[in-house]
Order: sequence, then C-alpha cells, then structure tokens
Amino acid sequence: EAGVTQSPTHLIKTRGQQATLRCSPISGHTSVYWYQQALGLGLQFLLWYDEGEERNRGNFPPRFSGRQFPNYSSELNVNALELEDSALYLCASSLTQPQHFGDGTRLSIL
Amino acid sequence: EDQVTQSPEALRLQEGESSSLNCSYTVSGLRGLFWYRQDPGKGPEFLFTLYSAGEEKEKERLKATLTKKESFLHITAPKPEDSATYLCAVKGGAQKLVFGQGTRLTINP
Repeated sequence: EAGVTQSPTHLIKTRGQQATLRCSPISGHTSVYWYQQALGLGLQFLLWYDEGEERNRGNFPPRFSGRQFPNYSSELNVNALELEDSALYLCASSLTQPQHFGDGTRLSIL
Repeated sequence: EDQVTQSPEALRLQEGESSSLNCSYTVSGLRGLFWYRQDPGKGPEFLFTLYSAGEEKEKERLKATLTKKESFLHITAPKPEDSATYLCAVKGGAQKLVFGQGTRLTINP
C-alpha cells in the first residue's frame, strides 16, 4: 500500500513569492492534515480538510491556505513568503485515526 | 488550551540499557494519545494510540502506558536502530493533534 506522498521534496523561494505544496493521501483516506515543523518549534497544526471542506485551521495567518480536490489530494498555498516560513511542511491523511504522515516538503526562503 | 510536554529533551543510552520517556498532557476531552517515531529527514511514523487511563500497548521493544495526566514510552533492551526522535501527541475536542517537542533518543552500541 502506497503511503502519503508529497511533492516537491525541496522548494527554494525568495521573500514575497508564493509557494504551492502538494499531497496525495493513502488510498481510501478522506481527511488530509497539514503541519509545519520549524526548527526548535515542533509540529504545529495548520489545516484539516475532509471531504473537500476545510474543517479546522491552526493559529496561522490567512496567507496560509489550501484546498482538497475530489480525489482527496490536497495542496497548501503560502503567499507573500517570509523568512520565518522556512520549515518542513508535513501532510498526513486518515480515514478515522491515526494520522499517517508523508516525508514532507522542505521549504527554504532566501 | 491543549498542551503536551515531553521529557527529557534528549536521552543517550547504551545498547541494552532500558529507560522510559515521559509525556505530560492537559487536554479538554481526550480523544486519543498518540506516539510517533521520527527519523532525520523523514515524516513521523505511527507507533501507538491510547484512549483511556490504564491502557497499555506493546510493539517489539516498546511499551506505551497511559494515566489521566501522562503517558510513558518504555524502551526495553534498546538497540542502535531504536535511535530516533519520539513524538507524543494528543487529540482533544478540537479534533486536531497537538504535539510535544519530542525526545531525541540515541542508543550507543
């Protein structure tokens, strides 16, 4: 069974640019979660999508947004990138519990 | 607000030296406590889910236990391949996972 896949593996952007990160969940999973793992801060919850709807979001500004497609894949968009957005962005999927994680996209802001 | 505190931050053991990692939590309406293992450059790998005080789960050299305020991850006779960061998370009424900062475990051969 294929796990959660994320692309790209690495992404390098400059301040003010926009980034798009993609996630394919495990087959049969309908919920997708996004987390930010910044150095020294641990995993912080960003967004939860289920059946195409945003169900919950963490304490992040509106320039962090996303969507879930009819095939349950998801993308995370980050606008007006700032230096502190440099982090590993992790996607997880589940049907109920537990959440299963991909290996993340490393976003570096120069 | 849901909170998770893990201790110690880092732990170095000799191969075969058993120990325990601690996860203290406060949560409104616990809907699950989760343990994950994370290797460098990888995403967290699911280990255990615990739902109620007194519950225990085992997998190879790992055993997780749960009380009303904390969870322990016991590691028996560890091997170098058990070296990783171990993450604890809780799910409360808000339906989101709240993670601790993790314990970085190193097992020396």
